[in-house]
Amino acid sequence: GQNIDQPTEMTATEGAIVQINCTYQTSGFNGLFWYQQHAGEAPTFLSYNVLDGLEEKGRFSSFLSRSKGYSYLLLKELQMKDSASYLCAVMDSNYQLIWGAGTKLIIKP
Amino acid sequence: IAGITQAPTSQILAAGRRMTLRCTQDMRHNAMYWYRQDLGLGLRLIHYSNTAGTTGKGEVPDGYSVSRANTDDFPLTLASAVPSQTSVYFCASSEGASSGNTIYFGEGSWLTVV
Repeated sequence: GQNIDQPTEMTATEGAIVQINCTYQTSGFNGLFWYQQHAGEAPTFLSYNVLDGLEEKGRFSSFLSRSKGYSYLLLKELQMKDSASYLCAVMDSNYQLIWGAGTKLIIKP
Repeated sequence: IAGITQAPTSQILAAGRRMTLRCTQDMRHNAMYWYRQDLGLGLRLIHYSNTAGTTGKGEVPDGYSVSRANTDDFPLTLASAVPSQTSVYFCASSEGASSGNTIYFGEGSWLTVV
């Protein structure tokens, strides 16, 4: 079966750095997405990786290793507004997105 | 910029009733999707449409039906609602169903079946 694993919850301090990991086992691979979802709101797109390596976008970076079935989202200079759930999703061979259950990130002052 | 509009925003529905959740997008996207999101389970695909006139079943299609008469609209119908269909429903769209196409979400419809 297809599976996306990510931690259920993480806590970090304002101004610090946090890394949210995602491992996957899917039927084929056509890219990995990270989305942010604030409580009670819709998911919003953060990043897309299809090749191995690091993609940097401001305070957020996303890394992919296809051989290891592994990705992480790195958030720097954490702000209170970064408190949200972070969703990892993999596009499989049928171009369908397989979603992880999400990681709830709690930022403490 | 409207993007994706869903209606209703929230609804309490008696079990056994029929309900249609509406979804309209103004981005001229070819592909549209309906997801449900339940605590601890993540987003699950109910039905999708890669282009107007075509639809397909996702991971959890039972009890739901969709239609795609035109590019902009993708309604989701619950023929006879049951309590297990209590969830938040997200309509989404993308330019196409291929690698790299970002999926954009509507604001969600909160449905409670009692």
